[in-house]
Amino acid sequence: DTEVTQTPKHLVMGMTNKKSLKCEQHMGHRAMYWYKQKAKKPPELMFVYSYEKLSINESVPSRFSPECPNSSLLNLHLHALQPEDSALYLCASSQLASGVNTGELFFGEGSRLTVL
Amino acid sequence: GENVEQHPSTLSVQEGDSAVIKCTYSDSASNYFPWYKQELGKRPQLIIDIRSNVGEKKDQRIAVTLNKTAKHFSLHITETQPEDSAVYFCAAFYTGGFKTIFGAGTRLFVKA
Repeated sequence: DTEVTQTPKHLVMGMTNKKSLKCEQHMGHRAMYWYKQKAKKPPELMFVYSYEKLSINESVPSRFSPECPNSSLLNLHLHALQPEDSALYLCASSQLASGVNTGELFFGEGSRLTVL
Repeated sequence: GENVEQHPSTLSVQEGDSAVIKCTYSDSASNYFPWYKQELGKRPQLIIDIRSNVGEKKDQRIAVTLNKTAKHFSLHITETQPEDSAVYFCAAFYTGGFKTIFGAGTRLFVKA
């Protein structure tokens, strides 16, 4: 299985709502990522988990809260978002071996988020 | 900070022609250079990559070259087809870390 699965595919939420994005992979990858992608732009790194621990937070506002419950799952909890947070949210994973990251990113299909 | 410059931003070719996209990176520690293709509404997908101990790599109609001294790498697509139309992102990565530095993207149009 070389897939990264994300749910939901589409999400519309109001600024007062609380929702979560979910990501799952069964490739044994120990690095997992959240990216945000705006139209016509490259993916922008938000968070990195390695071995289920948060390694990188790219100064993301606290209204985005990541969680890595186990080595296969990654969540992104959303609360009090702003309309400018509307974007495609991509989950990705990569393989770690003896402290070396292969670098190849396996992306999920993304969750397209609209904040009203 | 680290950055990757990518040119051109838009490229339009006739079916059957070749397409070349060029990138320059700034971090000399980078040792892995992937290329991702993203079709409209889809996820980015790796199409080819090259590591710093190699100067050139080819996979059917796609090839990548790397000049470590000049910090340049390029994607070459030969015999382009309409299904090659997409946005292509080059990227640079250091395998001791986690941050992939993406170029701004090239929108390739292949006219039938």
